Amino acid sequence: KQEVTQIPAALSVPEGENLVLNCSFTDSAIYNLQWFRQDPGKGLTSLLLIQSSQREQTSGRLNASLDKSSGRSTLYIAASQPGDSATYLCAVVNQGGKLIFGQGTELSVKP
Amino acid sequence: EAGVTQFPSHSVIEKGQTVTLRCDPISGHDNLYWYRRVMGKEIKFLLHFVKESKQDESGMPNNRFLAERTGGTYSTLKVQPAELEDSGVYFCASSPKAGDTEAFFGQGTRLTVV
Repeated sequence: KQEVTQIPAALSVPEGENLVLNCSFTDSAIYNLQWFRQDPGKGLTSLLLIQSSQREQTSGRLNASLDKSSGRSTLYIAASQPGDSATYLCAVVNQGGKLIFGQGTELSVKP
Repeated sequence: EAGVTQFPSHSVIEKGQTVTLRCDPISGHDNLYWYRRVMGKEIKFLLHFVKESKQDESGMPNNRFLAERTGGTYSTLKVQPAELEDSGVYFCASSPKAGDTEAFFGQGTRLTVV
């Protein structure tokens, strides 16, 4: 049974710092992996989708990497801003598109 | 282009009552998914439609939950009768091609059963 774990559960950093959020999964036979952010009381916003054949994906200040063999993905946020404050969710994707989520990392970026 | 929309945004009902949640996916997206997050837990899969057919309903908790997607457009999720443990946030997502493309989520429906 696939399990997804995100560490840390919460993180507080000063503005301008580069930071890394971690995601691990127990079964390496994943199809894809998707990172989301969720603002309080809002829905999920897709950040990046990494295909299983890719090792990383970049969008602006965000860079996500994927190492299937070790069951890990990281989300790197460069030059963090207060607007980056949100909960970040990692989800592994099976071939049918079913997502299995981690608990999320709650990020707070202090001005 | 309109995103995934869900109605209502909030619902408070008494135990034993019936509630129906609605999801309008992005136009043209054949794949529609329901998920929910109960207090303190991670978001969990409920079921997956491809057009009007249920592709995977392995996450449905019990037979008090009924999902439909007549005509392959919008979907409804009915809870009857509601129990206290059904409280949580119900999310809907859609994608054009299952697995290969991003899933887009709605704002969610916060259901409170009292």
